[in-house]
Amino acid sequence: GAGVSQSPRYKVAKRGQDVALRCDPISGHVSLFWYQQALGQGPEFLTYFQNEAQLDKSGLPSDRFFAERPEGSVSTLKIQRTQQEDSAVYLCASSLLAGLQETQYFGPGTRLLVL
Amino acid sequence: GNSVTQMEGPVTLSEEAFLTINCTYTATGYPSLFWYVQYPGEGLQLLLKATKADDKGSNKGFEATYRKETTSFHLEKGSVQVSDSAVYFCALRRQGAQKLVFGQGTRLTINP
Repeated sequence: GAGVSQSPRYKVAKRGQDVALRCDPISGHVSLFWYQQALGQGPEFLTYFQNEAQLDKSGLPSDRFFAERPEGSVSTLKIQRTQQEDSAVYLCASSLLAGLQETQYFGPGTRLLVL
Repeated sequence: GNSVTQMEGPVTLSEEAFLTINCTYTATGYPSLFWYVQYPGEGLQLLLKATKADDKGSNKGFEATYRKETTSFHLEKGSVQVSDSAVYFCALRRQGAQKLVFGQGTRLTINP
């Protein structure tokens, strides 16, 4: 079956622009995660949804970052007034249930470059 | 806080060599431990996991044992192949939490 998909795969933005990154989780997956991966680093947690509820947003680096999942499936990560330090790969992951033993399945990521 | 430290790369080996990638962690309680792999151009994939002390995770010839006494989860493979070339990430999930905490990754290159 289809895995997690993300779009766009690459995004170039001028500093100060707003961007929206989309994640399509595996169909039926309850949990959805966003991570940020800087060049040469491991992914860092941004936020977590269980269905449409955003249960943890402790990793969002500033109030310029906003995520939503209004119908409990597709999610959008929005970054307002982008800065150069926002350049990174943004990874989305989903898991079938909300249990703590569930495997997270990752998408290919969106590579964001802010100029 | 919770953190994961991996051996720095890049690591370059010849085909059929023995592989060890070190991983140590800091966490309270009993976290679950994971190794993820990222092949060129692909997303992160779970390679193996262990959820309690002394558990051994294994997959595709790779193994890692959850060592509580040394807070380690080293990845090993007896005979690597060119197709094992990838970036490997060690990660933990704290007890009761959903999010993963990753190490910085180790790039592995296997030469024929």
